[in-house]
Amino acid sequence: QQQVKQSPQSLIVQKGGISIINCAYENTAFDYFPWYQQFPGKGPALLIAIRPDVSEKKEGRFTISFNKSAKQFSLHIMDSQPGDSATYFCAARNNAGNMLTFGGGTRLMVKP
Amino acid sequence: NAGVTQTPKFRILKIGQSMTLQCAQDMNHNYMYWYRQDPGMGLKLIYYSVGAGITDKGEVPNGYNVSRSTTEDFPLRLELAAPSQTSVYFCASSYADEQYFGPGTRLTVT
Repeated sequence: QQQVKQSPQSLIVQKGGISIINCAYENTAFDYFPWYQQFPGKGPALLIAIRPDVSEKKEGRFTISFNKSAKQFSLHIMDSQPGDSATYFCAARNNAGNMLTFGGGTRLMVKP
Repeated sequence: NAGVTQTPKFRILKIGQSMTLQCAQDMNHNYMYWYRQDPGMGLKLIYYSVGAGITDKGEVPNGYNVSRSTTEDFPLRLELAAPSQTSVYFCASSYADEQYFGPGTRLTVT
């Protein structure tokens, strides 16, 4: 019930291409869906987040698409750059508390 | 602001030893968290705290203990270390939605 499933586990994209990472959840009590970016040897850092009352949020080259009925959300990285190479985690927060449940992560490599 | 700081950065423990991972934040956040991250896996919540004096178990609390005597500090105690506790440990804090993570402690138990 608390799981967040993320795919793919790894992704290779050419510079300038679009990177797409997908997540699915079961718990309808989740009320906040962030994406975190993690570089090797560093802690995760918030990249972008969405609440279920909107279907899309865009910040620069990063867009979250949210499908409440399907219980799915995805991260799109437009014009992917080598500097975007990192591990990306989706997460979901239960509205009963402030705890996040994380997906398994996607290791993105953007080739120059 | 230093944000969330963690010490040590690396540690090697022998099976059965104990240690405390330190975590401090200077943002006056009420919420603090401990996660573990195993290779190729997401983060699993070990313990969390909603304020000084209040702690609760997360998804994987066995083998760990925490305390929260001040708003700033949230140490994680490992008793009787086991190889299964080899992992990278992250501390985080939050006030509202965003959680701020420390740089992590890489722990190896052999």
